[in-house]
Amino acid sequence: EAGVAQSPRYKIIEKRQSVAFWCNPISGHATLYWYQQILGQGPKLLIQFQNNGVVDDSQLPKDRFSAERLKGVDSTLKIQPAKLEDSAVYLCASSLNTGGGGTEAFFGQGTRLTVV
Amino acid sequence: AQSVTQLDSHVSVSEGTPVLLRCNYSSSYSPSLFWYVQHPNKGLQLLLKYTSAATLVKGINGFEAEFKKSETSFHLTKPSAHMSDAAEYFCVVTSPGDKLTFGTGTQLKVEL
Repeated sequence: EAGVAQSPRYKIIEKRQSVAFWCNPISGHATLYWYQQILGQGPKLLIQFQNNGVVDDSQLPKDRFSAERLKGVDSTLKIQPAKLEDSAVYLCASSLNTGGGGTEAFFGQGTRLTVV
Repeated sequence: AQSVTQLDSHVSVSEGTPVLLRCNYSSSYSPSLFWYVQHPNKGLQLLLKYTSAATLVKGINGFEAEFKKSETSFHLTKPSAHMSDAAEYFCVVTSPGDKLTFGTGTQLKVEL
């Protein structure tokens, strides 16, 4: 079974530039997550999709971050303009979501963003 | 609302000795709980999960965890540490709707 695919693996940009990350979840997984993991911290949920609808984006900095999930499959996360504090690993995950909780999530390898 | 507290940010053990990584949770629901491991420059991998079945859960690589509702704990253990166990470990709680809330992580160091 193919895992969650993310690209690029690494990205270095200057502050105030824009950047986009791409995620392809496991086939058939209804739920897709984007997490931000700052060095030394646990992952923080940015946005959760159920098919192509947003379930939770309460911690997404909407003035600069945006995300979409095309046709309920692939997803892109964009930052515009980037700030130094956006330097982090951006993790994408997906799960079957049986609706009752307790469904494990499968994670991609992440995109390491460095803003200079 | 839900939250997870990992009581130790760093744990150091000698190879061949037991491992104990502590996790306490808070949840308004009957929780599902997970432990994930993250090796350097690798993605997060599921070690084990508790979903209201048996309270003692066995996972991969000899790890296990016990769900204790009275103590709101879900500690991770392994009888004998191996060098390859050195990594960061995350305790995760979920709710209906599958929102995952992560702890801050425990860095496990295994020494010869």
